[in-house]
Amino acid sequence: GQNIDQPTEMTATEGAIVQINCTYQTSGFNGLFWYQQHAGEAPTFLSYNVLDGLEEKGRFSSFLSRSKGYSYLLLKELQMKDSASYLCAGVLTDSWGKLQFGAGTQVVVTP
Amino acid sequence: NAGVTQTPKFRILKIGQSMTLQCTQDMNHNYMYWYRQDPGMGLKLIYYSVGAGITDKGEVPNGYNVSRSTTEDFPLRLELAAPSQTSVYFCASSSPGSTNEKLFFGSGTQLSVL
Repeated sequence: GQNIDQPTEMTATEGAIVQINCTYQTSGFNGLFWYQQHAGEAPTFLSYNVLDGLEEKGRFSSFLSRSKGYSYLLLKELQMKDSASYLCAGVLTDSWGKLQFGAGTQVVVTP
Repeated sequence: NAGVTQTPKFRILKIGQSMTLQCTQDMNHNYMYWYRQDPGMGLKLIYYSVGAGITDKGEVPNGYNVSRSTTEDFPLRLELAAPSQTSVYFCASSSPGSTNEKLFFGSGTQLSVL
């Protein structure tokens, strides 16, 4: 399948900002999702970008550049409860609705 | 709102045994999916369905079978369980083309094959 790359782990302190980058092959995907997954739980939806630009939802923002095959998730005013894995997932162009997931970025928030 | 319901939550199988993971959704979604997630890895698509009576293979279908007799239900069958099938399994549903295309996930099934 198409590759989706994201860092394995990031550490930041409470109240700080963290940016999680996600890169992919530009010809493979039509849009990009970000999901949050706490340990032992199911992924939960954070954001969906289908057009270029920045989407802001409270403390979380997501950016997409389709021509560069690049997205990022920005987490502001970090809280301890934000410690989780963040999954980047591309919508495959050959089959509407199917997602290709990255391996996830484990974010550790320290006091 | 029940959403996507998976059973069982945990299961231990012996090598060679078979079992069915149940999944049902009450959101009238046409699309349903089965993913597996190995430790430290992303989700990999096993099978998916775009409507009742229609199923197709995903990235890692070997060792599994599915059926979709109704819109609500999408069971996953493991035949002749192998240790390589030890994983967490997630069922999901979505409604592509709607204003809300995101996947809704079930709570997962932790399966160990010993």
